[in-house]
Amino acid sequence: ILNVEQSPQSLHVQEGDSTNFTCSFPSSNFYALHWYRWETAKSPEALFVMTLNGDEKKKGRISATLNTKEGYSYLYIKGSQPEDSATYLCASGNRDDKIIFGKGTRLHILP
Amino acid sequence: NAGVMQNPRHLVRRRGQEARLRCSPMKGHSHVYWYRQLPEEGLKFMVYLQKENIIDESGMPKERFSAEFPKEGPSILRIQQVVRGDSAAYFCASSPFGQGKDTQYFGPGTRLTVL
Repeated sequence: ILNVEQSPQSLHVQEGDSTNFTCSFPSSNFYALHWYRWETAKSPEALFVMTLNGDEKKKGRISATLNTKEGYSYLYIKGSQPEDSATYLCASGNRDDKIIFGKGTRLHILP
Repeated sequence: NAGVMQNPRHLVRRRGQEARLRCSPMKGHSHVYWYRQLPEEGLKFMVYLQKENIIDESGMPKERFSAEFPKEGPSILRIQQVVRGDSAAYFCASSPFGQGKDTQYFGPGTRLTVL
């Protein structure tokens, strides 16, 4: 059974500070790791999908890394802005077409 | 290219009534996923469908819940004899190929309230 864990559950960060959070997933039968950004009252939007060990993706101030051997991914936000406040979801897809979402990390940016 | 459409956006039902939630995937997508978000919780997978086929329904409650994705028309999530515990946001997502690598595109969700 796949189990995707995200930590921390919630995070308060001062505007301008950088931050990161973790997603851990079972490394066996792994196929892809997805990060989504989910703003309140909206629907999740895809940020990144990564498949290879050592993959690193970047979009503006947000970047992500992947370690498939040990089963974790980090999401980094540099110079946090108020618009970064959201829940960040991680999802692991395996070769049997199953995708399991973590519970998310709720990020609050403090002005 | 319209995104994933869900309707209604808000649905109120009394206990014992039926709820029908509709999802139209993005154009060109033939794979649909339904998720439920209970208050203070994350997304819980319910069911994965392709046209006319249920691929994985391991997250569906055994009773009262059913889903379909007909050859023509939207995917339907149907909840019979709703109870208060069914109150939640139900999200639909679609993808083009349905493999574990595919990005899923989410609809705006249907918020079901059971009185």
